[in-house]
Amino acid sequence: AQTVTQSQPEMSVQEAETVTLSCTYDTSESDYYLFWYKQPPSRQMILVIRQEAYKQQNATENRFSVNFQKAAKSFSLKISDSQLGDAAMYFCAYRSRNFGNEKLTFGTGTRLTIIP
Amino acid sequence: EAGVTQFPSHSVIEKGQTVTLRCDPISGHDNLYWYRRVMGKEIKFLLHFVKESKQDESGMPNNRFLAERTGGTYSTLKVQPAELEDSGVYFCASSQRKMNTEAFFGQGTRLTVV
Repeated sequence: AQTVTQSQPEMSVQEAETVTLSCTYDTSESDYYLFWYKQPPSRQMILVIRQEAYKQQNATENRFSVNFQKAAKSFSLKISDSQLGDAAMYFCAYRSRNFGNEKLTFGTGTRLTIIP
Repeated sequence: EAGVTQFPSHSVIEKGQTVTLRCDPISGHDNLYWYRRVMGKEIKFLLHFVKESKQDESGMPNNRFLAERTGGTYSTLKVQPAELEDSGVYFCASSQRKMNTEAFFGQGTRLTVV
């Protein structure tokens, strides 16, 4: 079974600064997807960024980028130029690439606070 | 296009009562998932529907939980009788039935059993 670990229950960053959220995972599979989801207060969870394990290049979406280290089973999220709207719970998640096993396995989340 | 909608947003019930949560997925999404987050812990998978069929129900905690998706559209998750440990936030997600597809989540239903 796969597991996802987020070791930082809470993080804070000054507005306009950069912050990195950590995530490690464990799996015996060689091909899979990794995700970062964001859940703002009282709002629905949305996908921030996705990484396919077979791709060596780290995914980037505007101010959000990941550092994917497959051998180390590490998948951190970097948020550059932090904005007040980035304040949220961030969940790291794993999904198998096997069709029919599409459930997400989540970490416990990191609550990110942006300091004005 | 409407997103994934969940009803109610909050529910407070007494131990032993019954509660039914509803999820309306995005139109055309064959995959529908239920997840649950107990306070401070990870979001855990409960079950996965493909249309009206249960593809994977390995995460259902016990037989007090019953999920249905009649007609392959909306889904309900009934808890009967509710116990204190059932408290948490129940999330529904839907996606298209194809590889490399994104799951869209609802806002969740916060269930409190007292």
